[in-house]
Amino acid sequence: NAGVTQTPKFQVLKTGQSMTLQCAQDMNHEYMSWYRQDPGMGLRLIHYSVGAGITDQGEVPNGYNVSRSTTEDFPLRLLSAAPSQTSVYFCASSQTGQGTEKLFFGSGTQLSVL
Amino acid sequence: DAKTTQPTSMDCAEGRAANLPCNHSTISGNEYVYWYRQIHSQGPQYIIHGLKNNETNEMASLIITEDRKSSTLILPHATLRDTAVYYCIVRGSGNTPLVFGKGTRLSVIA
Repeated sequence: NAGVTQTPKFQVLKTGQSMTLQCAQDMNHEYMSWYRQDPGMGLRLIHYSVGAGITDQGEVPNGYNVSRSTTEDFPLRLLSAAPSQTSVYFCASSQTGQGTEKLFFGSGTQLSVL
Repeated sequence: DAKTTQPTSMDCAEGRAANLPCNHSTISGNEYVYWYRQIHSQGPQYIIHGLKNNETNEMASLIITEDRKSSTLILPHATLRDTAVYYCIVRGSGNTPLVFGKGTRLSVIA
């Protein structure tokens, strides 16, 4: 049971480049989410999804797109990377997103935008 | 969701109990208290949660005051591997995202 898998672990981009951060879970969880963590800061929610075909914005959605075509996958797209998006990105999932559930996190993707 | 206040950092001697406080004076009746921790740069890990009663699991104990305005996470016998940032989060039972603050950086010292 792999849990929540994020790829790549590290990525360096130039300003203006686009890329997709991958997130997959094998626990049949309906709820998935993306957070970013800047140095010395807590995690901030970017986007989340309560099921296939349903997504919503979190606290800091600007500059990021998401889609949820399957239960297992929740990719995060950066259409035109900016230095302000340099951060560590975490994907997380839980059964339904209801408040009493545990949230399972991936190991993160460290992104640097030059 | 109610906000929480935690100390920025704490130290604890290895083998001793680590008591991490959290204030959540604006908590409402249907909001739970959650604790997660983040070791180095890994993804956060769930520890425990509770509503009113004290809770214990294999990782820790959670003590919630009777008025629910504060709580304490207790690691009974801290080890070096417990060095991490600990997040106290208050969240309702509905479908609301988990909001992380800056947490408490616990350093366990040999």
